[in-house]
Order: sequence, then structure tokens, then C-alpha cells
Amino acid sequence: EDQVTQSPEALRLQEGESSSLNCSYTVSGLRGLFWYRQDPGKGPEFLFTLYSAGEEKEKERLKATLTKKESFLHITAPKPEDSATYLCAVHPSNAGGTSYGKLTFGQGTILTVHP
Amino acid sequence: DAGITQSPRHKVTETGTPVTLRCHQTENHRYMYWYRQDPGHGLRLIHYSYGVKDTDKGEVSDGYSVSRSKTEDFLLTLESATSSQTSVYFCAISEGNSWEQYFGPGTRLTVT
Repeated sequence: EDQVTQSPEALRLQEGESSSLNCSYTVSGLRGLFWYRQDPGKGPEFLFTLYSAGEEKEKERLKATLTKKESFLHITAPKPEDSATYLCAVHPSNAGGTSYGKLTFGQGTILTVHP
Repeated sequence: DAGITQSPRHKVTETGTPVTLRCHQTENHRYMYWYRQDPGHGLRLIHYSYGVKDTDKGEVSDGYSVSRSKTEDFLLTLESATSSQTSVYFCAISEGNSWEQYFGPGTRLTVT
């Protein structure tokens, strides 16, 4: 069974205090790993897709990295507006069939950045 | 922002009544999905569609049905709502090349 575990469940940072969020996954094969940001009362917003180990993607203060068993979302010098829930999801490969983009999501990390 | 709307945005209904949620997209994406999001469970896939009139079950499909008669619309129906179906429901779309999904704003459903 495909599984995605995110840690920590919640993270409180001071403005400017860099840190990382972790997404560990267990899948039979990986087509892609996705990071989303979700603000309270809104739908998840797509951030990054990573396809293979060693790949990195950056957007403003965020950088996502991927290994064969986990992904990290590094937040450099965060600001209060970075406060949100960050979700990780995997798209498993399905030998012999198609998964039609069925993603498995982790439960998210709630990030709070204090000024 | 991806052109995805959901209606209604909020609904309160009584146990045993039928409820239909609508997802409308203007992106002409082939794939559409319905999720529910609950504390402690994260996002869970209810049903998905891979084309007009082509749908299949997700991991939590019991008590739900879907229909897709046009590319742009994907309907989720609770035939007889129960309190366990109180949740926030999200629709998502994907064009199927890179498989990233884009989400709608959500519908908060309360079953009393």
C-alpha cells in the first residue's frame, strides 16, 4: 500500500529562521512527487513537481528536493506570509495499467511563522 | 489561477436528504477528481473521471456517486446524506501530461 508521512505535524518559526519539512513515502514506483500549499478555508495550491532522485526545484524562499525515499521542502528566511499548511503527494506508477493521476496525500505540516 | 468553480460553497442539510455538489472547469482538462478533507485524514479521493462518462472509484467511494456528461462539469451526489459525510469537499483537475492537479475553492458540507 502506498503511504506518505509528513513531519513534523506542526512547525513554529520566527521570521528569518530557516528550516525544512519532511515527506517520507513508500510506493511501488514513483511517477512524481508534488508539493502544495494550503491556506485556511482555501483549496490546495500547486507548488512543485519532482520526478527523480536528485532533482531540485525552487520558488522564492522555497526549495524542494527529492531522494529515493523522501522529499524535503526547505524554507529559507521565512516570512509570516509563508504561514500555511504544506501538503505532499505522490503519484505511484502502476505497472500494467494506468493510475489516471490518482495521488496519495500526506496529512500535511502546519507552518506558522511569527514576526 | 486555474478556472475551477465549485457550488454551493457552503451547505447545511439533514440526514437522509440527497445532496449534489457541482464542479465546473474552464480549462478543458480531461481528468477531474473529487476529494474530501477531514482532520486527521488529510485529502482522500472519492471518485475520479478520465473523460466524459468515464468515471471510477477512489478510496472512500461508499455513499457517493458521480456523473460527467460534459467535459467541464463533474457532479458529486450523496444519495442519502449521513453525519459521517460532514466534510470539506474539493474538486481538482489535471490535463494528464505532468499529472499535477489544480484544486477548486472547496464546498463545506454539514449534515445535521
